[in-house]
Amino acid sequence: GENVEQHPSTLSVQEGDSAVIKCTYSDSASNYFPWYKQELGKRPQLIIDIRSNVGEKKDQRIAVTLNKTAKHFSLHITETQPEDSAVYFCAASNPNRGSTLGRLYFGRGTQLTVWP
Amino acid sequence: DGGITQSPKYLFRKEGQNVTLSCEQNLNHDAMYWYRQDPGQGLRLIYYSQIVNDFQKGDIAEGYSVSREKKESFPLTVTSAQKNPTAFYLCASSPERVLAKNIQYFGAGTRLSVL
Repeated sequence: GENVEQHPSTLSVQEGDSAVIKCTYSDSASNYFPWYKQELGKRPQLIIDIRSNVGEKKDQRIAVTLNKTAKHFSLHITETQPEDSAVYFCAASNPNRGSTLGRLYFGRGTQLTVWP
Repeated sequence: DGGITQSPKYLFRKEGQNVTLSCEQNLNHDAMYWYRQDPGQGLRLIYYSQIVNDFQKGDIAEGYSVSREKKESFPLTVTSAQKNPTAFYLCASSPERVLAKNIQYFGAGTRLSVL
């Protein structure tokens, strides 16, 4: 099955700096890559996603890039703010694949801390 | 934050006891999922169900059981065979039939501890 690796496991940045979280995946058939944010004590929530027919997607201060050849994708947060502090999870899936239809394979998460 | 309701928020299990975690959704979603979250381990899939009366084992199904008798409900039973059940349990659902993406929506979680 799919294996998703996520790095780093912890990341500390100064407010206003950029943060980058990287993930790799193993199954070349995966074609959907979401990112979830989980604030302390809360549920994970989707913040951005990308499909394999797109190389980059932006939404205000966050962006995701995808390199299908290298099988890696990254989350970029610019102008970080203390409220960006959370655990971020990447995931991969192939929504069109047989019995695993709909399954997301998650990375282990990155604890991002933004210092004021 | 509505749509997926997990109960209870906190649960305590005694030695040898089975406990059941509830997950209900009113989003009319086809698929439902159970994850276990431990520090540094990410979200590990226990069981998932794509349709009523059908479910699949995830990566860590041993010691757990589920049922999917109704579209809106997907309860998880932690059996006495699960020797290390202390964790945060998250339920999620997704509109399975939207094949381009399988966005998952999560409940608020149940924190299970062993007495």
